[in-house]
Amino acid sequence: DGGITQSPKYLFRKEGQNVTLSCEQNLNHDAMYWYRQDPGQGLRLIYYSQIVNDFQKGDIAEGYSVSREKKESFPLTVTSAQKNPTAFYLCASSILSGGDTGELFFGEGSRLTVL
Amino acid sequence: SQQGEEDPQALSIQEGENATMNCSYKTSINNLQWYRQNSGRGLVHLILIRSNEREKHSGRLRVTLDTSKKSSSLLITASRAADTASYFCATDAMGSQGNLIFGKGTKLSVKP
Repeated sequence: DGGITQSPKYLFRKEGQNVTLSCEQNLNHDAMYWYRQDPGQGLRLIYYSQIVNDFQKGDIAEGYSVSREKKESFPLTVTSAQKNPTAFYLCASSILSGGDTGELFFGEGSRLTVL
Repeated sequence: SQQGEEDPQALSIQEGENATMNCSYKTSINNLQWYRQNSGRGLVHLILIRSNEREKHSGRLRVTLDTSKKSSSLLITASRAADTASYFCATDAMGSQGNLIFGKGTKLSVKP
């Protein structure tokens, strides 16, 4: 089935450890995104990428890093520099259409808990 | 930066009733989108309305957009218990280069 796969679904981390969240899509979309969601809050953009080997910081990029070596993959690393990493992380992708951002397709999310 | 703000924050209705959620935003937009999220799951796209459109329908969903007031509404008619979810508006601001801005959402509860 076409879609976005995030893994792992649940992840526990000790303070001071880096963790990497996986995001893979087989929709042949050019653009991919990482959002963070805290309880009762909307989504905040961490990073996005519109083309392989290029990505831009979103509103809350500090303490996070990404790579886009392949069109279908956009992993997110939560580093030890992120002060409050416990959150629900959502990956999305979309077609690029001129200057507009169209429909986003989301994965099922990864819930990270720092112990 | 939070662009869209939904109102109300929470809404509880009976099955069969209509549910209306509102979204206000601050800057000029290319389009506005509505998404649904079931608890603990990813978001699902419902409908996209462009800045030059005033109303759009999809099944039991009706979306309106008033660019002069910088506001949008989502109407779900004849609601069902399965409509229970959080609903988010997201704006594609002009010049945003791919950065959709999401509001905090409206939590809808439909009681059987």
